[in-house]
Amino acid sequence: DGGITQSPKYLFRKEGQNVTLSCEQNLNHDAMYWYRQDPGQGLRLIYYSQIVNDFQKGDIAEGYSVSREKKESFPLTVTSAQKNPTAFYLCASSVNGLAGSYNEQFFGPGTRLTVL
Amino acid sequence: QKEVEQNSGPLSVPEGAIASLNCTYSDRGSQSFFWYRQYSGKSPELIMFIYSNGDKEDGRFTAQLNKASQYVSLLIRDSQPSDSATYLCAVRSYNQGGKLIFGQGTELSVKP
Repeated sequence: DGGITQSPKYLFRKEGQNVTLSCEQNLNHDAMYWYRQDPGQGLRLIYYSQIVNDFQKGDIAEGYSVSREKKESFPLTVTSAQKNPTAFYLCASSVNGLAGSYNEQFFGPGTRLTVL
Repeated sequence: QKEVEQNSGPLSVPEGAIASLNCTYSDRGSQSFFWYRQYSGKSPELIMFIYSNGDKEDGRFTAQLNKASQYVSLLIRDSQPSDSATYLCAVRSYNQGGKLIFGQGTELSVKP
């Protein structure tokens, strides 16, 4: 059963803590993405990776870090430097992320992070 | 000017009517266009994509693209209460390294 999984579904963080959100895909997609969604707003790109061991900053990368050691996995760490981390975090993947491509992105179920 | 603009709504239509959702974009280098449906508390689900000027139909959904006017729309025929959701327009531009740029979404409410 192919798809994208994210865990945990809900996550609570205390001030000053780093937390890591998991994203795994078995679609054999090269490209993976992390987005943040705030209430009533569209998605904003945090980081993306077009290939293993390579990733690029998106529009709002400050306070976040990622790794891409395996094709299937693209974990996101929300660090204590992120001042307002409470949001809905969405992971997505696509066949590739090439600028000239037309392929669509598919989303995982999301992780809702709340800072206590 | 936002890169991708949508009316936030809510757009309210009666059951069985046609719902028309609109999206404008600023980057003339945009090459592909996507419509996602997002139910409250859930992740976005791709429902349509379009690359060429004109109309593309899939069941009750029709996507319309006019690159000259930088305008893309989604029509939902015979709207059902289950269509009530937020619809996100996303645009991919060669000029921006192929990233998807999302609008803020339009909330659609279909009344029985």
